[in-house]
Amino acid sequence: AQSVTQLGSHVSVSEGALVLLRCNYSSSVPPYLFWYVQYPNQGLQLLLKYTTGATLVKGINGFEAEFKKSETSFHLTKPSAHMSDAAEYFCAVNFGRGSQGNLIFGKGTKLSVKP
Amino acid sequence: DTEVTQTPKHLVMGMTNKKSLKCEQHMGHRAMYWYKQKAKKPPELMFVYSYEKLSINESVPSRFSPECPNSSLLNLHLHALQPEDSALYLCASSQIRGHNEKLFFGSGTQLSVL
Repeated sequence: AQSVTQLGSHVSVSEGALVLLRCNYSSSVPPYLFWYVQYPNQGLQLLLKYTTGATLVKGINGFEAEFKKSETSFHLTKPSAHMSDAAEYFCAVNFGRGSQGNLIFGKGTKLSVKP
Repeated sequence: DTEVTQTPKHLVMGMTNKKSLKCEQHMGHRAMYWYKQKAKKPPELMFVYSYEKLSINESVPSRFSPECPNSSLLNLHLHALQPEDSALYLCASSQIRGHNEKLFFGSGTQLSVL
């Protein structure tokens, strides 16, 4: 069955430390992959997406993600966390043709940044 | 203008009330979406409109009734809701309904059903 899994519902890092948020998917065909961020009392904002081409994708606010087909992963990273990065992060997947093409969200990872 | 505007931001209603949520975008997008998000959960797709026609209804109860009067507006009419319908209702739009399309989200309407 097609699914998306985010490991860790809550990640806490210190300001200036590396941010790593994990996302894995289950599908026989590589899907389209997205990371969205949601700040408190806000809607979701696209950070970055992978469709085809270069597997390392750079997004806004210094975030990037690497699509690894062999590991069926699309982990989100940022070299140095800022206090303003504290938010909920959702990995989302569109499995494309044959699945209605709907965007499926992972359960989310709440990122806390300590001073 | 890259915004999706939702009104009202907050809504409290009783189980016998009729209310409507409104969503507006002026980006020329031809696909619009309603999502429901419970606290500490991911958004769940409710409805998709593509070129003003309802293309997806994810088995949503009939007490939720969507409407797309034109390409810029999307409404969600609410009637006889239950307390478990309390949630953040998010509207989104994309240029077209496609597999790699970026969704633009509004800030949502926080709905409480008493």
